[in-house]
Amino acid sequence: KQEVTQIPAALSVPEGENLVLNCSFTDSAIYNLQWFRQDPGKGLTSLLLIQSSQREQTSGRLNASLDKSSGRSTLYIAASQPGDSATYLCAAPGAGSYQLTFGKGTKLSVIP
Amino acid sequence: EAQVTQNPRYLITVTGKKLTVTCSQNMNHEYMSWYRQDPGLGLRQIYYSMNVEVTDKGDVPEGYKVSRKEKRNFPLILESPSPNQTSLYFCASSLSWRGHTEAFFGQGTRLTVV
Repeated sequence: KQEVTQIPAALSVPEGENLVLNCSFTDSAIYNLQWFRQDPGKGLTSLLLIQSSQREQTSGRLNASLDKSSGRSTLYIAASQPGDSATYLCAAPGAGSYQLTFGKGTKLSVIP
Repeated sequence: EAQVTQNPRYLITVTGKKLTVTCSQNMNHEYMSWYRQDPGLGLRQIYYSMNVEVTDKGDVPEGYKVSRKEKRNFPLILESPSPNQTSLYFCASSLSWRGHTEAFFGQGTRLTVV
């Protein structure tokens, strides 16, 4: 059964700093890995989807990488802004599974 | 606009009173699922559906029912709600059950059972 871990659970950075969020997974036979953003009490917004055949995916100031062999993905946020403050979740299905398993998230605070 | 719509957004009910949370998507997606989110436990899947009339249990199905009579709708039914079902619920959909496609989430339903 797939297990997804996100470290750290919380992160506080000053505005303008570049930062990296980490996600690790136990079952490397994944179809894809998806990063989401969740604002307090709100739904999940999809940020990036990386297919198993890809190593990177970029959207604006966000860049996600995927290393299946090591069971790791990172989300890089460039030039962070206060509006980036939210909880970031990664999710991956397991081998032969249609079920997404989520990490518990990293709560990011960007201080003006 | 492509979206997943849940209703209601907020619901307070009493123990044992049957309720239904609706979910509808306008993207012609095959795969739909329900999750609950609890502090310290994260998001856990309740039920999923690979297509019309095809549903299966996720990790925490006890106390819940679902149906998929139409492709766009996937209601979550609590026949006899209990306080331990107080949670934030999310419906999600994706184009295919084959696992290669992006998941889209609704805005959530905050349920309180007293």
